[in-house]
Amino acid sequence: DQQVKQNSPSLSVQEGRISILNCDYTNSMFDYFLWYKKYPAEGPTFLISISSIKDKNEDGRFTVFLNKSAKHLSLHIVPSQPGDSAVYFCAASKNNQGGKLIFGQGTELSVKP
Amino acid sequence: DAGVTQSPTHLIKTRGQHVTLRCSPISGHKSVSWYQQVLGQGPQFIFQYYEKEERGRGNFPDRFSARQFPNYSSELNVNALLLGDSALYLCASGGHLANTGELFFGEGSRLTVL
Repeated sequence: DQQVKQNSPSLSVQEGRISILNCDYTNSMFDYFLWYKKYPAEGPTFLISISSIKDKNEDGRFTVFLNKSAKHLSLHIVPSQPGDSAVYFCAASKNNQGGKLIFGQGTELSVKP
Repeated sequence: DAGVTQSPTHLIKTRGQHVTLRCSPISGHKSVSWYQQVLGQGPQFIFQYYEKEERGRGNFPDRFSARQFPNYSSELNVNALLLGDSALYLCASGGHLANTGELFFGEGSRLTVL
């Protein structure tokens, strides 16, 4: 039962262009959605989050959009930089269960100079 | 400030053996969670401990156990190792924002079972 899904295993983007990473979920009880970035040989690093009561959250080059009716969220990176090349994980949690994140399978982003 | 530290970073065991993985959370953090990440998949939740009490358990067999110590460090124990237990084991700590799901991860312990 995959409650959080990232259907694109990989994405390649040119430097300076927009990267859009997508994530779908099935459980309408999730309260928070998060994006983590992971470089090889490192642990995941928190990137940005959004509460289920909002539809957009922006932090610098990173914006997360939430469409609750479609149970879909996306991460936009503008402009993309080569240093953004990493595996991106979408995750979800319920209120008061913050230590229990449900992760998607990840999308490997490659930003080419 | 030191981040989340895990030990050992790599280890090799044979089937049937037992393993203990250790984690020290960020200073001041009282919540520790353990995750298993198999190659090509996202991390999967195993346990959460908060104030030395188990707060959540994922869908893992009883061979997996954990505990948290008074200094909030934690151990994950796996008995009767199987080949399928080969994975990266991640520890994450949370502070006062733990209930929003923002966790800080260590670099992980990579376990290989032969």
